Amino acid sequence: DVKVTQSSRYLVKRTGEKVFLECVQDMDHENMFWYRQDPGLGLRLIYFSYDVKMKEKGDIPEGYSVSREKKERFSLILESASTNQTSMYLCASRLRWEAFFGQGTRLTVV
Amino acid sequence: EDQVTQSPEALRLQEGESSSLNCSYTVSGLRGLFWYRQDPGKGPEFLFTLYSAGEEKEKERLKATLTKKESFLHITAPKPEDSATYLCAVQADSGYALNFGKGTSLLVTP
Repeated sequence: DVKVTQSSRYLVKRTGEKVFLECVQDMDHENMFWYRQDPGLGLRLIYFSYDVKMKEKGDIPEGYSVSREKKERFSLILESASTNQTSMYLCASRLRWEAFFGQGTRLTVV
Repeated sequence: EDQVTQSPEALRLQEGESSSLNCSYTVSGLRGLFWYRQDPGKGPEFLFTLYSAGEEKEKERLKATLTKKESFLHITAPKPEDSATYLCAVQADSGYALNFGKGTSLLVTP
């Protein structure tokens, strides 16, 4: 079974903090993704990576950056957290077409 | 621009009452259409991939079908444990990432 693990289930951070969300997959997948999910808006793509050190912006990259130094790990960085970044963050990995998701990180920015 | 629309937004069924969820899509070259199940507070769980019109996939009480414009997720004799949000996503030939609909929230009552 594919396993995608996100470092935290719940996180509370203060406005202006730098926040790191970590994601690790154990299946040697090339493609990894970060989405955020909000009520009424569905899943929206923030960034994706198709190889180590390679990244592409998704639909809503503003206020975020990413890092992929190793194939199994994809990090999402909130440079200066703001309250409108309170959301559920979902990491996914994919070898060909089916994407497999982690359990999600519920981030609250206060 | 790729679009995925799911209907209805919410559906309430009695146990044993069969029904269908709809996913209509517009995409410039469909590589695949995906169905996921999401329980509250968790990441989406992969259910099916459909690649071409006329294709069908089944798993327990769920059956997914695909035409050139839409997909249906048929639920036969549902049970309360089928209660969840069902998400549909498409992968275009030209892109890397899945484009998701907003989901259908299904509640099955005893």
